[in-house]
Amino acid sequence: DIQMTQSPSSLSASVGDRVTITCRASQSISSYLNWYQQKPGKAPKLLIYAASSLQSGVPSRFSGSGSGTDFTLTISSLQPEDFATYYCQQSYSTPPDFGPGTKVDIK
Amino acid sequence: QVTLKESGPVLVKPTETLTLTCTVSGFSLSNARMGVSWIRQPPGKALEWLAHIFSNDEKSYSTSLKSRLTISKDTSKSQVVLTMTNMDPVDTATYYCARTIVGPYKVSWFDPWGQGTLVTVSS
Repeated sequence: DIQMTQSPSSLSASVGDRVTITCRASQSISSYLNWYQQKPGKAPKLLIYAASSLQSGVPSRFSGSGSGTDFTLTISSLQPEDFATYYCQQSYSTPPDFGPGTKVDIK
Repeated sequence: QVTLKESGPVLVKPTETLTLTCTVSGFSLSNARMGVSWIRQPPGKALEWLAHIFSNDEKSYSTSLKSRLTISKDTSKSQVVLTMTNMDPVDTATYYCARTIVGPYKVSWFDPWGQGTLVTVSS
């Protein structure tokens, strides 16, 4: 199985900050990497698929990059509604496992 | 509009078998580019993929749980069923089903997700 790690595990940021979350795979997964946002008590929501494709309806302040083993999710200007937990997920092979998550909270 | 809704017991006893149903609307389980996955999340913990099934009846399971899981579908009813045997308190979690979309070059992703159903395992 491919192991996914994320860093940091949590971060505190202010509205307007640029935020970057990193995801790393234990082996190359090409661009088979997705990002999800989860707010407390809610189901996860797809933000980015195939490493850099923005899901329809997702604000353009979210962007994804990377290939191989290292990926990043960037929020260009953090908004109040962006405080949540973010998960990466690989779809290169089965099982399509998730990273442990990065919680973004208010500084 | 695509929706998925999970249903099943909220409380099961240790050693019992859990049966969860995912009822989908807005897409067909016979669509070659789509399937349904089950994913769970223990309280305060990360997401854990459990299983998926596609239109051609291709199925896959979590490596650590595959001996306990069975996934099936009824296309005519637009339902996907997950059973998990020998439930234990550590299986207490919110269980989600999600549409799995297969894009170009077999890239896949989960969208949308159902609201989830909390299953508690306790005697």
